[in-house]
Amino acid sequence: AQKITQTQPGMFVQEKEAVTLDCTYDTSDQSYGLFWYKQPSSGEMIFLIYQGSYDEQNATEGRYSLNFQKARKSANLVISASQLGDSAMYFCAMREGFYNNNDMRFGAGTRLTVKP
Amino acid sequence: DVKVTQSSRYLVKRTGEKVFLECVQDMDHENMFWYRQDPGLGLRLIYFSYDVKMKEKGDIPEGYSVSREKKERFSLILESASTNQTSMYLCASSITTGFSPLHFGNGTRLTVT
Repeated sequence: AQKITQTQPGMFVQEKEAVTLDCTYDTSDQSYGLFWYKQPSSGEMIFLIYQGSYDEQNATEGRYSLNFQKARKSANLVISASQLGDSAMYFCAMREGFYNNNDMRFGAGTRLTVKP
Repeated sequence: DVKVTQSSRYLVKRTGEKVFLECVQDMDHENMFWYRQDPGLGLRLIYFSYDVKMKEKGDIPEGYSVSREKKERFSLILESASTNQTSMYLCASSITTGFSPLHFGNGTRLTVT
């Protein structure tokens, strides 16, 4: 079963505006971690932000914030003040089972295009 | 900075060939991973290893095997390459403790003709 769902194959946003990329996840574990990665056209995978399942505050890293709604099992990425360099693929991912050797599962990704 | 190095950026092989994709990390990470990335499917886990000589199947292990004889090196092996294994292959590593992010290599684009 799909553990990470990203329902937006592509998104457009005007430069300097904010954009939200959706991510829902499925797990029966109480302990898990949620991640967002950016993949520009160069192909490298860049780690952006992390949210732990027990973290009470939403994670923030500069212009990136994670809107974590545990009951709804959603972990949306919010990018504020979009820049042209934000155009890229964005992947949501999850690791489960804190004390186990745990793998990471990814969603299908969202391609974000920032318009000048 | 963590460096994960994949031996080839581009690779072209013929159907039926045995293919080795090599990955080396320099940060003494216990965990190493192989993913394949295809448009519309995201990254799908092929295998991961949490220690030397230890391996776990991911979601799509069929047609692949792995080898981890040394902590820093994790090899992906296509025993008999097929055209449906044409893809981007990404290697990653992480520490074991907690929920650590994965550090990725730059990928190997494999074409099987």
